[in-house]
Amino acid sequence: GAVVSQHPSWVICKSGTSVKIECRSLDFQATTMFWYRQFPKQSLMLMATSNEGSKATYEQGVEKDKFLINHASLTLSTLTVTSAHPEDSSFYICSARPTTSDYEQYFGPGTRLTVT
Amino acid sequence: GQNIDQPTEMTATEGAIVQINCTYQTSGFNGLFWYQQHAGEAPTFLSYNVLDGLEEKGRFSSFLSRSKGYSYLLLKELQMKDSASYLCAVMDSNYQLIWGAGTKLIIKP
Repeated sequence: GAVVSQHPSWVICKSGTSVKIECRSLDFQATTMFWYRQFPKQSLMLMATSNEGSKATYEQGVEKDKFLINHASLTLSTLTVTSAHPEDSSFYICSARPTTSDYEQYFGPGTRLTVT
Repeated sequence: GQNIDQPTEMTATEGAIVQINCTYQTSGFNGLFWYQQHAGEAPTFLSYNVLDGLEEKGRFSSFLSRSKGYSYLLLKELQMKDSASYLCAVMDSNYQLIWGAGTKLIIKP
C-alpha cells in the first residue's frame, strides 16, 4: 500500500517550452502533496506544499509563476515548469501525505528533467 | 534558524556496523525521520521517532534524544546494497519536514 507514482519518469525539453509533471497517490487519498527538487549530491529542497482545492504554498525563493502547481483532486497534483531554462534541469520528486495521517509522507519515484 | 547536521560521507566494511549521527535545531518538534536514497531514486522511508529511545527494525535501528536534539541511525550486518545516502529529517511545529543534507554511506568489501 501507500504507492505514489510520477509521470513522466524523465523528460527532455527545449529551452522556452513548458513541462507538466503528474503526481498520483494510487491507493490512498492525499489532502496534502509536496514538491521537491534535488540537484546532484544535494539534499531535497522543498519547493511548495499543495493542498487539495486550494492554492499551493511556495517556499521562499521559488517563483510561483514559473512553477505552477495544481492539486485538483485527492489523488492528483501536477507541477508545470513554464518557460523552462537549462538551470531548471533537476530531479523533481513529489510526496503525498495520507488524509489519515499528520506525519506520514510517501515519495514518488521522481522525474528527471533536462532542459536543452 | 532551523538546522539539521549530519556527516557528509562515511565508509564502512561489509558485515560491520555503522552509526550515522544527526543533530537538529528546529522550531518545534513533531518527530524525526530517517530515509534511504539510492542514487537517481526517490527516498524510501526507514524510521520515525517521536519519543526518546531506540526503535529497532531488523538490521536498522534509530535512536532519539529530544533533550539533546540528537538522533542516530544504526545499521548492522552491512550489505553492499546498503551503499546509499541516508537523510535525516525533522518535522517542525507546522508539520513540515526540515531535511539534512544527507550522509553518503560507502560500503567496502
